[in-house]
Amino acid sequence: KAGVTQTPRYLIKTRGQQVTLSCSPISGHRSVSWYQQTPGQGLQFLFEYFSETQRNKGNFPGRFSGRQFSNSRSEMNVSTLELGDSALYLCASSDTGGTGELFFGEGSRLTVL
Amino acid sequence: GQSLEQPSEVTAVEGAIVQINCTYQTSGFYGLSWYQQHDGGAPTFLSYNGLDGLEETGRFSSFLSRSKGYSYLLLKELQMKDSASYLCASYNQGGKLIFGQGTELSVKP
Repeated sequence: KAGVTQTPRYLIKTRGQQVTLSCSPISGHRSVSWYQQTPGQGLQFLFEYFSETQRNKGNFPGRFSGRQFSNSRSEMNVSTLELGDSALYLCASSDTGGTGELFFGEGSRLTVL
Repeated sequence: GQSLEQPSEVTAVEGAIVQINCTYQTSGFYGLSWYQQHDGGAPTFLSYNGLDGLEETGRFSSFLSRSKGYSYLLLKELQMKDSASYLCASYNQGGKLIFGQGTELSVKP
């Protein structure tokens, strides 16, 4: 069974640009959640989608958005990039969400210059 | 609110046993999980404790005391490949998964 796939793995953007990150969950998993990881703040929850509906959202500004498609693939978008958005963005999938085991992708490492 | 506290670093010797602690404060409790992360890669699930007591999986064990707001991860027969960051995580009442800052384990020969 293929794992969680995130693309792109690395990307460099400049301030003010926008970025879209993609996540393909494990086949059969309907819950996809996104996290931002930085050295200073650690792993922080961004949002969770289940069957195309946003089920939960973390404390991030509206510049951070996401969506989930009918095949459970998910995308997140960050608009008007700031230097502080430089981070590793991790996606995780699970079959039901809730307290179940999360399966993480390798992440997308975003550098904002 | 909810917070999980972990030591930032732990060092141990190959073949030894090491314990990594996680204390939490939460207005609701929905179990506690442990994840391992190598060099900023994908975190991998190690264990979950929903009730008090010890859960064992091979060389790894995790303990939970809900009354004390305390959990630990025990790693036995340490190997060099166990050098990694270990994160505890728990869901808050709003259903958001909260992570501790992670404990960087260094295994020395």
